[in-house]
Amino acid sequence: NAGVMQNPRHLVRRRGQEARLRCSPMKGHSHVYWYRQLPEEGLKFMVYLQKENIIDESGMPKERFSAEFPKEGPSILRIQQVVRGDSAAYFCASSPPTAPYNSPLHFGNGTRLTVT
Amino acid sequence: KQEVTQIPAALSVPEGENLVLNCSFTDSAIYNLQWFRQDPGKGLTSLLLIQSSQREQTSGRLNASLDKSSGRSTLYIAASQPGDSATYLCAARDIYGNNRLAFGKGNQVVVIP
Repeated sequence: NAGVMQNPRHLVRRRGQEARLRCSPMKGHSHVYWYRQLPEEGLKFMVYLQKENIIDESGMPKERFSAEFPKEGPSILRIQQVVRGDSAAYFCASSPPTAPYNSPLHFGNGTRLTVT
Repeated sequence: KQEVTQIPAALSVPEGENLVLNCSFTDSAIYNLQWFRQDPGKGLTSLLLIQSSQREQTSGRLNASLDKSSGRSTLYIAASQPGDSATYLCAARDIYGNNRLAFGKGNQVVVIP
């Protein structure tokens, strides 16, 4: 029973390029969350999605960042025109469709983005 | 806005000692609190989830308590082993924010053989 799968594990981008981070939730999970961990900082919530719906994107920067969770395929976190300050570990988590507020979140191993 | 604090930020203990890790949160209106373990360069492993109606949860050598009214949770690890060396994170899920977790910065633990 595979856990939350994220790829790539490491991603290097030059300033101004685009970064695409992928997340496949655990089997049977339909709720996906993205969190960012900056160096020496705690994890910060970015966005909460269900299939084809953004439920809460209050933690997303207003510009350059977007997320989607299509009907088919993984969830994608997209960062356009990356800057050095975007360098961080990006974690995806998932939870089941029933009682999502009372279920534990399961996290992937993260994507470590480095912007040069 | 929920604020989560973990003290101490880092600690070292000799193998065999019991570990006590503290987590405090500012808003007691939570659904539950979850403890995680994070190894360097790795993801988060869920350890225990305590619902707001519960006082404690146990799994093997791990025991987590929750005092919602005072905004505190404690993770106890009995008879620590070198393999317990990791960063331990607590996260509070408050009732306001669409299933968001508010994380502390973690307790970085080193168990000395």
